[in-house]
Amino acid sequence: EAEVAQSPRYKITEKSQAVAFWCDPISGHATLYWYRQILGQGPELLVQFQDESVVDDSQLPKDRFSAERLKGVDSTLKIQPAELGDSAMYLCASSALGSSGASPWNIQYFGAGTRLSVL
Amino acid sequence: GEDVEQSLFLSVREGDSSVINCTYTDSSSTYLYWYKQEPGAGLQLLTYIFSNMDMKQDQRLTVLLNKKDKHLSLRIADTQTGDSAIYFCAEMVGGGSQGNLIFGKGTKLSVKP
Repeated sequence: EAEVAQSPRYKITEKSQAVAFWCDPISGHATLYWYRQILGQGPELLVQFQDESVVDDSQLPKDRFSAERLKGVDSTLKIQPAELGDSAMYLCASSALGSSGASPWNIQYFGAGTRLSVL
Repeated sequence: GEDVEQSLFLSVREGDSSVINCTYTDSSSTYLYWYKQEPGAGLQLLTYIFSNMDMKQDQRLTVLLNKKDKHLSLRIADTQTGDSAIYFCAEMVGGGSQGNLIFGKGTKLSVKP
């Protein structure tokens, strides 16, 4: 069964360092999402891509976070510099979302996530 | 803004039914979802329901939707220890390519043998 791949699974870093996370969506999925999940909370959207274009990055802290999906396939999320409050699970999801939002194509499939600890 | 609320904890005995409740605020939500998260793992889609439906059944899972009260529930029949996890309710807000999911904080289900 096709899966969303994420790496690394775990990352420990010191504050002020740079970190990067990678995501490979399910083959053929046009839409890719990055979420942040703080312990004890539900996931919150950071950025959404449709192919290589950013659709929504309104919740992305752009002073330190950046995301790219250059060829419209895999994606990288970067934090520079990392802060203590960035410790969380970073989840990537993908969907086969077409031009119509209201369909089962909206189903988002999640990767296993990257657990970030900032010391 | 949009908000999804769930009770934080539920404890049941193995073999009993579990009912996890959720309320949401956006009356224009088109789809509502239930995801399961096991420790240290990502989210696994369990089921979803379209907003014009009242009920959806899938094996041991039954989803009930009361659109008037904006209330969603997930019933797990014959709950097993392997069902112990955190269950997230989510609503789809917005349409077209702008639609995204708003999640609740999750309900931790503990199943006692």
